[in-house]
Amino acid sequence: EVQVLESGGGLVQPGGSLRLSCVASGFTFSAYAMTWVRQAPGKGLEWVSVIRDGNDNTYYADSVRGRFTISRDNSKNTVYLEMNSLRAEDTAVYYCAKNIYYFENWGQGTLVTVSS
Amino acid sequence: QSVLTQPPSVSAAPGQKVTISCSGSSSNIGNNYVSWYQQLPGTVPKLLIYDNNKRPSGIPDRFSGSKSGTSATLGITGLQTGDEADYYCGTWDSSLSGWVFGGGTKLTVL
Repeated sequence: EVQVLESGGGLVQPGGSLRLSCVASGFTFSAYAMTWVRQAPGKGLEWVSVIRDGNDNTYYADSVRGRFTISRDNSKNTVYLEMNSLRAEDTAVYYCAKNIYYFENWGQGTLVTVSS
Repeated sequence: QSVLTQPPSVSAAPGQKVTISCSGSSSNIGNNYVSWYQQLPGTVPKLLIYDNNKRPSGIPDRFSGSKSGTSATLGITGLQTGDEADYYCGTWDSSLSGWVFGGGTKLTVL
């Protein structure tokens, strides 16, 4: 059974940093791209970043480029999202998902709140 | 403003059929696969349709997807109250080099 579990969310002040983790199991982790999608309270889905399998190419939404960094450790079946210079508008539930030409197997999400 | 355009809401009676549109451009829907996601109230989004018109195992055939040019459509037949949810379309945008979603459509089953 495929499982995806995010962690690392919490309350952080504007300008602060946070690192999210996503541990996956039940599939060959290294063979798949992994993506982060977020959802602000009462709002729609917003894609954040993806890291490819193989060459580890990374892509970011304009709203986070230069502030967020995605990485992966295939030995730990884990993908990370390093978030710096956080803003109030980054407040959201952050989901991790296995990424093919679609988003499969979403995790339960981890809440990030940016507030003073 | 989302790159993909969906109607904010649709409604229909139980047992009826509803369609949800998703409009984009040649850089996204026109040249890439479209997927659809269902988010029931208070839950995690779930993959409903992938590769324009394929259903993952466990998704009933009441749900269907289609694509024509730069638009895609989600169809739901035999509506049930349990179908009340937010529905999102998504695809890769080759110009933006990123994934894009529609703004979401809230389905109400009257």
